[in-house]
Amino acid sequence: DIQMTQSPSSLSASVGDRVTITCQASQDISNYLNWFQQKPGKAPKLLIYDASNLETGVPSRFSGSGSGTDFTFTISSLQPEDIATYYCQQYDNLLLTFGGGTKVEIK
Amino acid sequence: QVQLVESGGGVVQPGRSLRLSCAASGFTFSNYAMHWVRQAPGKGLEWVAVMSYDGSNTYYADSVKGRFTISRDNSKNTLYLQMNSLRTEDTAVYYCARGGRRWGQGTLVTVSS
Repeated sequence: DIQMTQSPSSLSASVGDRVTITCQASQDISNYLNWFQQKPGKAPKLLIYDASNLETGVPSRFSGSGSGTDFTFTISSLQPEDIATYYCQQYDNLLLTFGGGTKVEIK
Repeated sequence: QVQLVESGGGVVQPGRSLRLSCAASGFTFSNYAMHWVRQAPGKGLEWVAVMSYDGSNTYYADSVKGRFTISRDNSKNTLYLQMNSLRTEDTAVYYCARGGRRWGQGTLVTVSS
């Protein structure tokens, strides 16, 4: 089974800061990686698919990069409404694996 | 637009059974693999099970293998999760997801005596 290691598990940043989250796969997953945002009491929302593609309607301050085993998710300028937990997800054939999540807070 | 609506959650005693449903609309249900993913209170996301678009392939997380059964009725655009021999650690919000990308709002299952 493919394991996903996401870091950090939490971070605190100021409004306007650049925020970076990383996700490492235990084996090569090409670009089969999605990034989700989850706010309390809500379902996860897709932000980035196939490692670097911005989902329709998602603000351009969100971006993703990487391939193979190492991936990065970036918020270029943190906004108050970005307070949430972020998850990476790999998809290998029909199987899904999630990273442990990163809780983003405002400093 | 894509809509996934889960139902069937509730409070159940350990060892009992429960069946969840996920009603799909806004897309051709029979074209997509469908997943169940759960989230225990205060915890991260855990993939539970998947069924291929035509029902020919199913896979389960080790934590539910042998106790949970995923199924689908493409004529009714509905996905199911039959959960037997429930344990307290199965307590979670259960989400259905289309191909892993589009999610329903979830249904809460609480296993408690």
